[in-house]
This record gives sequence, C-alpha cells and structure tokens, in this order.
Amino acid sequence: ILNVEQSPQSLHVQEGDSTNFTCSFPSSNFYALHWYRWETAKSPEALFVMTLNGDEKKKGRISATLNTKEGYSYLYIKGSQPEDSATYLCARNLANQAGTALIFGKGTTLSVSS
Amino acid sequence: NAGVTQTPKFQVLKTGQSMTLQCAQDMNHNSMYWYRQDPGMGLRLIYYSASEGTTDKGEVPNGYNVSRLNKREFSLRLESAAPSQTSVYFCASSEAIPMGGYTFGSGTRLTVV
Repeated sequence: ILNVEQSPQSLHVQEGDSTNFTCSFPSSNFYALHWYRWETAKSPEALFVMTLNGDEKKKGRISATLNTKEGYSYLYIKGSQPEDSATYLCARNLANQAGTALIFGKGTTLSVSS
Repeated sequence: NAGVTQTPKFQVLKTGQSMTLQCAQDMNHNSMYWYRQDPGMGLRLIYYSASEGTTDKGEVPNGYNVSRLNKREFSLRLESAAPSQTSVYFCASSEAIPMGGYTFGSGTRLTVV
C-alpha cells in the first residue's frame, strides 16, 4: 500500500493570512490526486481532482497545483477566513487505473482565528 | 435527498459480538468503499468494490468482511468485534473514474467495549 504524506499536521493562522499545505506521494503508477475538505462533525467534501502534471485548479480563494514527476501537490488558501477552518485531506489512487480506491494522507488541520 | 446513506449512526457492541454496517447509494455509482477514521490516522481503506460483483482488500481489512449486495448496497461485517475496531466508519461511492471525487456517507460511530 502506498504512502501519502501531508505537512504540516496542523496550522493556525489569523484571518486574512494566506497559507499553503503540501501533499507528497509516490509518483509511480499515478492516476489522479484528490483534495478534500473535512469540517468537524461532517463528511469529507471533494475540492479538486487533478490528473496531469502541471494541473492547476481553483475554487474561489482555494487553489491547488500538481507535480506528478516529483510526486507532490500544493493547496493554497488566499486570505483565510474562519469558515476555512477544517481538515484538508489529499489522496491518491491505489493504482494506475480507474476503479481503484483512494489512499488518503492523515490531513492538515487548519484553524483560522478572527 | 440523493447521496450515500449509512445505518446505524451509532452502535455499541460487546467484545465478540457481530454486526453489519449498511451502506446504500442512489447515484448509480459503480464503485463503493469502506474507510475507518481514527484520531491522528486520517481515513484508512478497509475494503472497496470497483463494480458490482467485485470486492478488494484495502489497507486494514483484517477482522472485516464485505458484501456488494447489488449496485446500490455495500455492507461491512464485523464477525467478532474487538476493542481495536472502535472507530468511525465511512462509506463512500464514486463513478469508476471519479473526476468529481467521492461522495461520503455521514459515518457510523462504533464503540466496542
């Protein structure tokens, strides 16, 4: 089973700060990289799915980039707001094919103070 | 509402008891998954079913069995519960090529005493 690493484990920022997290993963047999947002007492919600080296995705103030050759992805949040407080998970497909399951990292927990 | 439904939401078992966690989705998804969430461990894959009629082991399959009853339903069974299986269990579903990501259920909180 492959290993998906996320850093930092937790992060505390002030409202208005911009921040970023890292997800690193084995680059062999890569299929897709997913980012999820997980609020306390809720279920994880999909943010982005990226498949190609150099992919960049954006949703409002949140964006992500992908480097499949070196095996990492960055998630950026611009101008953090208290409602951005959540755990952010990244995940990679188990194998290089559709229909295989996602293996998740342990997540980065973001806390934004007003 | 469309989505993934898990039952029960909460359960307390005694060591050695058995139970089945139910999961059903109404989005016509091909693939379904079971994960467990433990503090500091993120989501760990127990079993998954890429399509109706197939199941595969994940990262932590020991102590569990699964059944893909039909395209909609994917159940997880604990034959002889152990305290180490105390966890929150999440079921999820997706298209075979999940470009929209997974849809998760609301979770089952299981305590084994």
